[in-house]
Amino acid sequence: EAEVAQSPRYKITEKSQAVAFWCDPISGHATLYWYRQILGQGPELLVQFQDESVVDDSQLPKDRFSAERLKGVDSTLKIQPAELGDSAMYLCASSLGQQPYYEQYFGPGTRLTVT
Amino acid sequence: AQSVTQPDIHITVSEGASLELRCNYSYGATPYLFWYVQSPGQGLQLLLKYFSGDTLVQGIKGFEAEFKRSQSSFNLRKPSVHWSDAAEYFCAVAPSMDSNYQLIWGAGTKLIIKP
Repeated sequence: EAEVAQSPRYKITEKSQAVAFWCDPISGHATLYWYRQILGQGPELLVQFQDESVVDDSQLPKDRFSAERLKGVDSTLKIQPAELGDSAMYLCASSLGQQPYYEQYFGPGTRLTVT
Repeated sequence: AQSVTQPDIHITVSEGASLELRCNYSYGATPYLFWYVQSPGQGLQLLLKYFSGDTLVQGIKGFEAEFKRSQSSFNLRKPSVHWSDAAEYFCAVAPSMDSNYQLIWGAGTKLIIKP
C-alpha cells in the first residue's frame, strides 16, 4: 500500500539553527499539505500545495518558514532560524485533490525538538 | 469563527465496553465532518466521514458516527472497544462553503483502555 514518506522522523536542533524536513507524497497526489501539531492540540495547516503552486500559506510564519514543491512531487519545509516555540510534530499529508471527498493520507511525521 | 470542540481530553474505558467520543462544531451551515485516529508512532488515519445523506455513518475498525444537525454534533461510537483502539482521536470539519476546504481540527481525545 502506498504511503506518504517523511524524513527525518526525529530532529533535535539548537535555537537559531536551520532545519529542513522532507516529504514524498503518494504517487499521483496533486495536493500536498504541511501541518504543525503541538502536543495536546490538533494539527494546524501551515501550507497547502496544488501541484507546484501554493494554494494557501496564510498560517505559515514567513519570516522564518519556507516551503517548496518545485516539480510538483516531493516537498521541503525549512525553518531558519529555529526558535524554542517551534518544537512540535510536523506532519505531511497528500490527496488526489483539494476537495474534501478526497481523503488526506498522512505521513508518520517529524518530531522537532529545539533546545 | 469556525471551531471544533472535543470536550474530553482523556477517556478511560474498559476493554469490551462501549465508547462514545464527543465532537461539536460551530458553523452556520452543515460542514463536511471527519474522524481521524492517531496511534503512537503512526500517521493520522481517516476513520469515517460525513458529507450528506444518512446521518449514521459507518467507518473502519468497527466505528460509527452520527451527525445531529440540531446539536451541531458528530459523535464517534464503538459498541465494544479492543486494547488496540488505544490512541488519540481527532474530529475535523471542512466548511462546505470554503473554496479550499481546509480542515479545522479539534484538540483530540486520548482513549485509554483498561484491561
